[in-house]
Amino acid sequence: QSALTQPASVSGSPGQSITISCTGTSSDVGGYNYVSWYQQHPGKAPKLMIYDVSNRPSGVPDRFSGSKSGNTASLTISGLQAEDEADYYCSSYTSSSTLYVFGTGTKVTVL
Amino acid sequence: QVQLVESGGGLVKPGGSLRLSCAASGFTFSDYYMSWIRQAPGKGLEWVSDVTISGGTKYYADSVKGRFTISRDNPKNSLYLQMNSLRAEDTAVYYCARRKTGSHAFDIWGQGTMVTVSS
Repeated sequence: QSALTQPASVSGSPGQSITISCTGTSSDVGGYNYVSWYQQHPGKAPKLMIYDVSNRPSGVPDRFSGSKSGNTASLTISGLQAEDEADYYCSSYTSSSTLYVFGTGTKVTVL
Repeated sequence: QVQLVESGGGLVKPGGSLRLSCAASGFTFSDYYMSWIRQAPGKGLEWVSDVTISGGTKYYADSVKGRFTISRDNPKNSLYLQMNSLRAEDTAVYYCARRKTGSHAFDIWGQGTMVTVSS
């Protein structure tokens, strides 16, 4: 089971919007509405930001939104803020014996 | 508050064994599937293992199948990972995580425990 493909880095200025893509296959991203997104600051544990493609857990700002089209999921951060600078990982449930696959990770830089 | 605290990491020689523990608090542990997820130094996240609520069904990544064993003790609110035949490539921070009810997302994570496999 290969990792989902994400861009290595994405950057934007404060207040701008950025989108991170997460590309898989019909056996994972395309086959299920079980894509989730995690934010990880250096030295910290990951934090759930989006689950089931587009749902936000309580406490996550509505600046964060998720979507999916075919085998590609996306995380959009609107109104980018300095504290959004972190690594972001997508994850999907899969039909293989490896139940879950994570993305390669994207470093978001706030300029 | 809802919390997961891992322990048991350390330095071990290739071929050795280690047992990780994860203590849960602030929620009804026996209501949730639980998972282990790891992250090698400077690398991305990798799902390792899952266990159902009763502990009766367990799932493993191909990379650890036959070497690692997940278990849980619901009365003790604890999750475990027994790691045998350790390899250098098992070196990572190991996180325990709670699976969100009705979803396949991990909504609560511990702070992680570092496992280093080296001679």
